[in-house]
Amino acid sequence: KAGVTQTPRYLIKTRGQQVTLSCSPISGHRSVSWYQQTPGQGLQFLFEYFSETQRNKGNFPGRFSGRQFSNSRSEMNVSTLELGDSALYLCASSLAWVGDTEAFFGQGTRLTVV
Amino acid sequence: AQKVTQAQTEISVVEKEDVTLDCVYETRDTTYYLFWYKQPPSGELVFLIRRNSFDEQNEISGRYSWNFQKSTSSFNFTITASQVVDSAVYFCALSEVPGYSSASKIIFGSGTRLSIRP
Repeated sequence: KAGVTQTPRYLIKTRGQQVTLSCSPISGHRSVSWYQQTPGQGLQFLFEYFSETQRNKGNFPGRFSGRQFSNSRSEMNVSTLELGDSALYLCASSLAWVGDTEAFFGQGTRLTVV
Repeated sequence: AQKVTQAQTEISVVEKEDVTLDCVYETRDTTYYLFWYKQPPSGELVFLIRRNSFDEQNEISGRYSWNFQKSTSSFNFTITASQVVDSAVYFCALSEVPGYSSASKIIFGSGTRLSIRP
């Protein structure tokens, strides 16, 4: 079966712009989580969506937001981009909740803010 | 608070050597899950193992083995007869059951970069 698909794979944006990243989970998976990976902070939890509801949120500013659609696809939006937002953004797909079974990760979207 | 510590930032060994990656975790909950993920240069996280807090039995999968010890809050990962293809960053992670102290998320360690030299 198809894996987790994240688009786009690479993005270059300018400070102050906004960006939307997309994640299509594995068919049948209802939980989608987002993580930010940077060399300095490592892998940090952004938020988790389940059945179109945000179930949990990490310690990120309000510029980071997301949503989930009825087909479980999820989008993540970052507004007013800052240089520090440059990172690899990973999406994880799981059946019910992220620790219940293995979470499958996409290849990520590498965002560069210049 | 939840925390996962991988004290080894980088490890480099010669091919065919055995190597152990250490992982120490902190949690207040009695029910939790531990994971190991591999991140090759391509970027995606590849699931290796999931272990719940009630199952301390060690596990072996081919050249990979895991040693879970609740008494020391450790969940170490050993690669036997390492190969160049094992070169990657390895992450240990912790997840608690939703409805307890935190909701559904994975807490990752900082990762160990493993280099296997030919």
